[in-house]
Amino acid sequence: ELKVEQNPLFLSMQEGKNYTIYCNYSTTSDRLYWYRQDPGKSLESLFVLLSNGAVKQEGRLMASLDTKARLSTLHITAAVHDLSATYFCAVDIGDTGTASKLTFGTGTRLQVTL
Amino acid sequence: EPEVTQTPSHQVTQMGQEVILRCVPISNHLYFYWYRQILGQKVEFLVSFYNNEISEKSEIFDDQFSVERPDGSNFTLKIRSTKLEDSAMYFCASSRRGANSNQPQHFGDGTRLSIL
Repeated sequence: ELKVEQNPLFLSMQEGKNYTIYCNYSTTSDRLYWYRQDPGKSLESLFVLLSNGAVKQEGRLMASLDTKARLSTLHITAAVHDLSATYFCAVDIGDTGTASKLTFGTGTRLQVTL
Repeated sequence: EPEVTQTPSHQVTQMGQEVILRCVPISNHLYFYWYRQILGQKVEFLVSFYNNEISEKSEIFDDQFSVERPDGSNFTLKIRSTKLEDSAMYFCASSRRGANSNQPQHFGDGTRLSIL
């Protein structure tokens, strides 16, 4: 059974600080997605990582994928309050040409304080 | 920007009753999914649907669950005889392409299902 684990589960950080969220998974896959979820809301796609060494950046967030280590990171630079949300990584183990099959991580609840 | 829409936003049902959750995926998408999220927990895959049939289903998706695409726009999830443990937020998602694609799944706002 595929396990996808994130740490930390909860992160309280001050505005302006940097931090990294880690996503470890237990099976071979080179397809990983990051989503953001605000309380009571839907999941918003942030990044699609499709190969070893992939790095994507959007604003203060940067995601990377190391398929050999089965590890993805989401780095937050100079956090602002608007980044407060829960962040999920999701590993896709669907076969090419078929539907995706996403297994989500445990989620990291990020709280950015003033 | 096109969205996945789900109705109702909140459904309250007595245990043992049937419930149908409705979704309208993005119009040019071909792959459809249902997930659930029990309060405070992670998102769990239920089922994927492509070309008018189920592609894959999880262990959660037992005989009490079914999905249907009754017309060209709707995608429904039916739970035949609800149990207390079915209480959760149910998300519908759709994507233009399937696995190994640079196009992520787009999620609806969810239906909160409460079983009494």
